[in-house]
Amino acid sequence: AQTVTQSQPEMSVQEAETVTLSCTYDTSESDYYLFWYKQPPSRQMILVIRQEAYKQQNATENRFSVNFQKAAKSFSLKISDSQLGDAAMYFCAYRSNNAGNMLTFGGGTRLMVKP
Amino acid sequence: GAVVSQHPSWVICKSGTSVKIECRSLDFQATTMFWYRQFPKQSLMLMATSNEGSKATYEQGVEKDKFLINHASLTLSTLTVTSAHPEDSSFYICSAPDTRRAFEQYFGPGTRLTVT
Repeated sequence: AQTVTQSQPEMSVQEAETVTLSCTYDTSESDYYLFWYKQPPSRQMILVIRQEAYKQQNATENRFSVNFQKAAKSFSLKISDSQLGDAAMYFCAYRSNNAGNMLTFGGGTRLMVKP
Repeated sequence: GAVVSQHPSWVICKSGTSVKIECRSLDFQATTMFWYRQFPKQSLMLMATSNEGSKATYEQGVEKDKFLINHASLTLSTLTVTSAHPEDSSFYICSAPDTRRAFEQYFGPGTRLTVT
């Protein structure tokens, strides 16, 4: 079974600074997707960024980018120019392409942004 | 992106009663939907996979007789918490993959259940 680990329960960043959230995963598969989701206080899950395992290029979405290290099974999220609205829970998630599209979530990282 | 709704957004019920939560995909069809449970300050735990036209698949440790799932149509799945107890109080979230968008999952806004 796949497991996803987020080793940082909480992180703090100054507004306008950059922060990196860590995620590692364990799988024996080669074909999968990785995701970062944001859950603000409203608790609505919002997709931040997606990475396909077969793509070597790291995904980027505006201020959000990932560092995908497939051999190391590492998938970190970098948030640049942090904004107050970035404060939320962030979940790393794994999805196999061979197991019915279900997501396996990490334990989450609470990000606080200081003004 | 696609839209998934949940109803109700919050519910309070008395111990021993049953509560039904609806999950709807509003602008796409979903043969599969997922139900998660989230305790405060914790991650989402998959409870079951709802399959249109067939029985739901429950994760280990989830009581299928307590958490009844019915995938009534290609746009509607329901989760019924039967004989609810205070320990069932939690935040329940559904999601549905959109086949038009590489099975990207869209999440409902969640339902907060409080059992008194």
